Parts: sequence; C-alpha cells; structure tokens
Amino acid sequence: GAVVSQHPSWVICKSGTSVKIECRSLDFQATTMFWYRQFPKQSLMLMATSNEGSKATYEQGVEKDKFLINHASLTLSTLTVTSAHPEDSSFYICSAKAGGTTDTQYFGPGTRLTVL
Amino acid sequence: GENVEQHPSTLSVQEGDSAVIKCTYSDSASNYFPWYKQELGKGPQLIIDIRSNVGEKKDQRIAVTLNKTAKHFSLHITETQPEDSAVYFCAASQAGTALIFGKGTTLSVSS
Repeated sequence: GAVVSQHPSWVICKSGTSVKIECRSLDFQATTMFWYRQFPKQSLMLMATSNEGSKATYEQGVEKDKFLINHASLTLSTLTVTSAHPEDSSFYICSAKAGGTTDTQYFGPGTRLTVL
Repeated sequence: GENVEQHPSTLSVQEGDSAVIKCTYSDSASNYFPWYKQELGKGPQLIIDIRSNVGEKKDQRIAVTLNKTAKHFSLHITETQPEDSAVYFCAASQAGTALIFGKGTTLSVSS
C-alpha cells in the first residue's frame, strides 16, 4: 500500500519556540494532504486541508497564523507550530490522498509534540 | 456538515468471538466510508473501506456493510485475535473532501 512518513516522530520544545513537522508521501503523488490533531483517548480532529501549490484551508477555530501549512510539492507538506505553548502539546497526524477520483487517504505515523 | 456517531465506545470480547462496531452518518451526500485501526502511539491504518454503490465488502476476517437508506454502516470482525485489540475509527466523506471521524471504539480481545 501507499506509504506516508512524518518527521520527526516526537519532539520536545520550550514554550515560545517554533516547531516544523514534515509529511511526505513516499511512493505516490499527493495532490491533497490533511493535517489532524489528536488528544489522548480522543478522535482525530481535522485542522486543515492542503492542496499542492495553493493556500491551505483551515477548519473553524484553527488559527492559521499559529499553524502554518505549506504544500510546496506533490510529495511534501509541512506544518509549523509557531510560538508553541503547552496547550499545543498533542499528537499531530497527516494524511495524503492521491489525485484523480480516489477517495483513499493514507495516514502518517504521527508526531508527538510536547511543549514545556 | 457531516456528523458521524460511533458505538460502542468500548468493546471487550473473548478470542475467537465476533466483534461488531456500528456508525451512523448524517449527510446523505457522503459516499465513501473507510474504517481505520489505530494502535497506541501510531497513526491510523486503513483496514477496509466501502463506497455508496456497494452494500457489503469482505476481506478475510473483516467485513463492512452499508445501509444507505438508514445511513449507517458497520464493521464486522470474525474469529477475533489478541492482535485485533486497538482503537477502531469509522469515517465518512464525499468525494474529494476531508474525512469526518467517529469518536472511536476501543476493542479488547482477551485470550
């Protein structure tokens, strides 16, 4: 099946710093990538939809200036958490969808962010 | 917008028994219904999906059924094994849109 990778798998940072998370589709071209956030024992909450070469579409309540998303190529999307605070600590997961008529989304392994 | 309800939130079965997880969706325009398995600390893994032009789909011990009229779909796991223990999420979407997830079901299979 299709493989999506994320880097780093976990990161610890100090409050006020910025953290970048990379999401890559390894064996297919992803015209659309999605970023989710998951708190412990909860479901996945969609943060934003990212289409290659265009601005991301953010869900209601998600601060676009805080969570910067860039989808510069068909295999790479990045999420930058700017000026991170402890309440941003969470599990961030990306998914990727190939182009055409397919609906199938493949998820990355997730990135655990801890802000001290 | 779409809303997906999932039941039960927890399910405990004995090894070899069957497990059934049910989901309902609200938007009749949704036409794609995947199921994901998530193990602790990992990303969700697609285990089976169904589209609205199909009523049932099987893959070895896993099957999914869809009732478009009632707007519900179910995951059936037969001959459960301890390694089936995980959190299972259902989801729904229209073509090309983001998935809307249910709240998840924690399945525990005891040997």
